[in-house]
Amino acid sequence: NAGVMQNPRHLVRRRGQEARLRCSPMKGHSHVYWYRQLPEEGLKFMVYLQKENIIDESGMPKERFSAEFPKEGPSILRIQQVVRGDSAAYFCASSPRLVAAKNIQYFGAGTRLSVL
Amino acid sequence: AQTVTQSQPEMSVQEAETVTLSCTYDTSESDYYLFWYKQPPSRQMILVIRQEAYKQQNATENRFSVNFQKAAKSFSLKISDSQLGDAAMYFCAYRSTGGANSKLTFGKGITLSVRP
Repeated sequence: NAGVMQNPRHLVRRRGQEARLRCSPMKGHSHVYWYRQLPEEGLKFMVYLQKENIIDESGMPKERFSAEFPKEGPSILRIQQVVRGDSAAYFCASSPRLVAAKNIQYFGAGTRLSVL
Repeated sequence: AQTVTQSQPEMSVQEAETVTLSCTYDTSESDYYLFWYKQPPSRQMILVIRQEAYKQQNATENRFSVNFQKAAKSFSLKISDSQLGDAAMYFCAYRSTGGANSKLTFGKGITLSVRP
């Protein structure tokens, strides 16, 4: 059973370009979470999605950032017109249905975004 | 809002010795979950141990155990018989019991080094 898969592992963008980060949850998991980790910091929550629905986006910047988790395919975190301050590691986590879950979130290895 | 505090930025332990990592949190909720995650240099977030607040018994996973003091809102991690592979960043995290508010709130982390 493959774990949470994130790609790419490393992404380099120039200021003003778009960044698209992908996350494939573990098989059978229908809940996806995105977190951002700045250097020397803990992970900060960005957004929580279920299939085709955004449940909680309270941690996501209002501009330039968007996330989706379509019925088919991976979850996508999209950052438009990137700035140097967007440079960070972005982690995706997934969990099964809450009723069946023991509230454990399983993490991917992260995508390190570098903005030049 | 919940907060998680890890006041020690770094700790060091001799191989085979025992070390305790501290964590405190603040919440007005009576039921919740607490976690310790390990992040080695590979950046992969690995779940170490999990505690349910309604359980008085401290969780244990092999060499890892916690000291959960609910009244004091303290959740420390004890690593016994430390091994070189335990060297990593360790994050304490809090999670509500479910529903839409199921994000993880992390502390800033502590860097643990293991001396051979």
